[in-house]
Amino acid sequence: DIVLTQSPATLAVSLGQRATISCRASESVDSYGNSFMHWYQQKPGQPPKLLIYRASNLESGIPARFSGSGSRTDFTLTINPVEADDVATYYCQQSNEDPYTFGGGTKLEIK
Amino acid sequence: QVQLQQSGPQLVRPGASVKISCKASGYSFTNYWMHWVRQRPGQGLEWIGMIDPSDSETRLDQKFKDKATLTVDKSSSTAYIQLSSPTSEDSAVYYCARKTDYWGQGTTLTVSS
Repeated sequence: DIVLTQSPATLAVSLGQRATISCRASESVDSYGNSFMHWYQQKPGQPPKLLIYRASNLESGIPARFSGSGSRTDFTLTINPVEADDVATYYCQQSNEDPYTFGGGTKLEIK
Repeated sequence: QVQLQQSGPQLVRPGASVKISCKASGYSFTNYWMHWVRQRPGQGLEWIGMIDPSDSETRLDQKFKDKATLTVDKSSSTAYIQLSSPTSEDSAVYYCARKTDYWGQGTTLTVSS
């Protein structure tokens, strides 16, 4: 199984500053020229919401403050600038091979 | 618009089989694999497996192979997850999701005597 390691586990950022979350895969999640890594935001009591699909594609309706980058085993979610509404837990997920594993999550707080 | 409507919360006794439903609307049900995800209280997301509604091909995380059974009813565009012999360890919120983009609201399962 592909193991996804997210860091940090908790991140405190001031309003208006940049937040950077890392997701490292135990093996490549690239196939056919695509990176099958996705990012979600989850707020308490709600289902996850897709932010970024295939590493760098912004889901419809998601603010451009969110961006994703990376390939093969190293991926990054960036939120810039951070707003109060971004307080949530963020997860990466790979869909290159099943089981489609998730990272352990990163909790974003406001400093 | 795409919607995934899940069945309501359930309280079941240990060992009693439980089945959760996920009714899809707003798209062609057989065109997208349906995924199931578990989230234990205060924990992260765990991928259980997925089912192709067109032919019921199923792929399960090996961790759930003796626990979860995925089925669909094409006539009602509904996907199901059945959990066998539930224990307190199965108490969690269960989500269905169409690939990565649309998610159900979640179904809370509590296993308690």
